[in-house]
Amino acid sequence: DIQMTQSPSSLSASVGDRVTITCRASQSISTYLNWYQQKPGKAPKLLIYAASSLQSGVPSRFSGSGSGTDFTLTITSLQPEDFATYYCQQSYRTPRTFGPGTKVDIK
Amino acid sequence: QVQLQESGPGLVKPSETLSLTCTVSGGSISNYYWSWIRQPAGKGLEWIGRIYTSGTTNYNPSLESRVTMSVDTSKNQFSLKLSSVTAADTAVYYCARDHIMSGYFDYWGQGTLVTVSS
Repeated sequence: DIQMTQSPSSLSASVGDRVTITCRASQSISTYLNWYQQKPGKAPKLLIYAASSLQSGVPSRFSGSGSGTDFTLTITSLQPEDFATYYCQQSYRTPRTFGPGTKVDIK
Repeated sequence: QVQLQESGPGLVKPSETLSLTCTVSGGSISNYYWSWIRQPAGKGLEWIGRIYTSGTTNYNPSLESRVTMSVDTSKNQFSLKLSSVTAADTAVYYCARDHIMSGYFDYWGQGTLVTVSS
């Protein structure tokens, strides 16, 4: 299985801050990397697919980059509704695997 | 707008079989992969497996011996069976659409909590 790691596991930030979350795969996955946002009691929501493509309807303050084994999710100006847990997921091969998540909370 | 809705018992006894169905509305179930994903309380996401509308399946090796998925295109539904459950199978179970080319999950059900307890 392809193992996914994320850093940090949690972070505290303020509204307006720039936030960066890193995801690393245990082997090269090209750009088969997707990012999700999950709020408590809700299903995950797709933000970014194929490493850098913004899902329809997702605000442009979210962006993704990377290829191979190292990827980044950036939120350029954190908004109140962005406090949530973020997961990366590889779709290079099955079994699909997710990172352990990064919780973004209010400083 | 595609919508997914999980249904099934919220309580299953140990050693029995967990059975869930996902109903897809607002679009056809055909020509997509459909996945099941679970999340124990306070933990991360685990992919269980997927089924294509032809019936082709891929399962997570960690669960493969206990998992069976099926699809009913006439009802726009797909289903999950997980046998010999234990408390470790207690989780919120999600169904999701699996993009056939890129493998991302673009539509999700709201999730259903399944508790394994006697």
